[in-house]
This record gives sequence, structure tokens and C-alpha cells, in this order.
Amino acid sequence: EAGVTQFPSHSVIEKGQTVTLRCDPISGHDNLYWYRRVMGKEIKFLLHFVKESKQDESGMPNNRFLAERTGGTYSTLKVQPAELEDSGVYFCASTSVGNEKLFFGSGTQLSVL
Amino acid sequence: GENVEQHPSTLSVQEGDSAVIKCTYSDSASNYFPWYKQELGKRPQLIIDIRSNVGEKKDQRIAVTLNKTAKHFSLHITETQPEDSAVYFCAASKGTDKLIFGTGTRLQVFP
Repeated sequence: EAGVTQFPSHSVIEKGQTVTLRCDPISGHDNLYWYRRVMGKEIKFLLHFVKESKQDESGMPNNRFLAERTGGTYSTLKVQPAELEDSGVYFCASTSVGNEKLFFGSGTQLSVL
Repeated sequence: GENVEQHPSTLSVQEGDSAVIKCTYSDSASNYFPWYKQELGKRPQLIIDIRSNVGEKKDQRIAVTLNKTAKHFSLHITETQPEDSAVYFCAASKGTDKLIFGTGTRLQVFP
């Protein structure tokens, strides 16, 4: 079974630029989560999709962040325009309905210079 | 909302010794408590979890204990080995609600 995959693994951009991160969940997993870890801090919740619907977006920092999951399969997270404080590792995780156990992707290391 | 605190932030032990990582949570309605291990450059992976209807769970050298009254839970690793070196995260959730993570503990096991 293929795991959760994320692209790219690393991204280095300048402040003010746009970056789009992609997550492909495990096939059949309706629940998809985005998390972010800033160095030395907790893995912080950003948002949760159930299929194509946003179930909970209470963790999204501000309106520079836009997440989509058209068709209920893969998801994208766009940051526009990026700021220095957006740097960190962005994780995607998925799970099937009714299952609490999250399966994580390897993350995207985003560096905003 | 839920808040999870984790201690210590770093932990160094000699191979063969035990390691204990502690977490506290704020929401008494939380009922699911997983632990994730993240090795350097790899994805976080679930190593053990416990639900609020039990007080302890073991899996070989790893055990988790839960004190619902005090709202804290702990990870115990016995007979540590160098391959146990990683960052460990605790988390808490209510059912299938989002997981709230602690800040992580970097465990180093020296040969």
C-alpha cells in the first residue's frame, strides 16, 4: 500500500513569492489533515478535509494560506505571498473514516528567505 | 481548546537505560492518546496509542500509562537502544477529532 506522499520535499523561496504544496493521501482515506512544525515547537494543526469539504480550518494562520481538495483526492496548500514566519515543515496526514490513527507524509521543508 | 504540554524537550540516556517522557493535557473530554516517533529526515510514525478506558498498554519495550484524573500520560521505553534515538511526540484528541500535539522530545541514546 502506498503511503502519504508530499511534493516537493524541500522548497526555498523569497519573501513575497508563492508556493504550492501537494499531498496525495492513502487511497480511500477520506480524512486529510495539514499540520505544520516550526523548529522546536509542536506539530500544529492547520486544517482538516473530509473528502472535498473543509471540516475544520481553525488552525489556518491567516488568509495568505489557501487549501483545496478538489474531487476529494489530493490536496494542495498554497501560501501567497509567503512571509519569513511561514518557514517550517508542512506535514500532511490521512486516515479512513472513523479511524483515529493518522498516517503522515514525509513533509515539505519550506524555507522563506 | 485542547493544550498538550510535553517534557522534557531533550533526553539523553545510556544504552540499556530506561527513558520516560511525560505529557499533560487540558481537555478532560480527550479520550485518545497516541505517541509518534520521528527519526531524522523521516515521517512521524505511530508507535503506540492508548484510549481513556485503559490505564496502561505495553508493546515489547514500549509502554504508555494514562492517569485520567491528573490528565497526564507517559511513554516508557526500557532497555533503550541507539535506534530509539528520535524525536517523540505525544498527542491527544476527542474521538476522531483533530490531534493536538506536544512540542516533542529529542531522545538520544548513547552506546
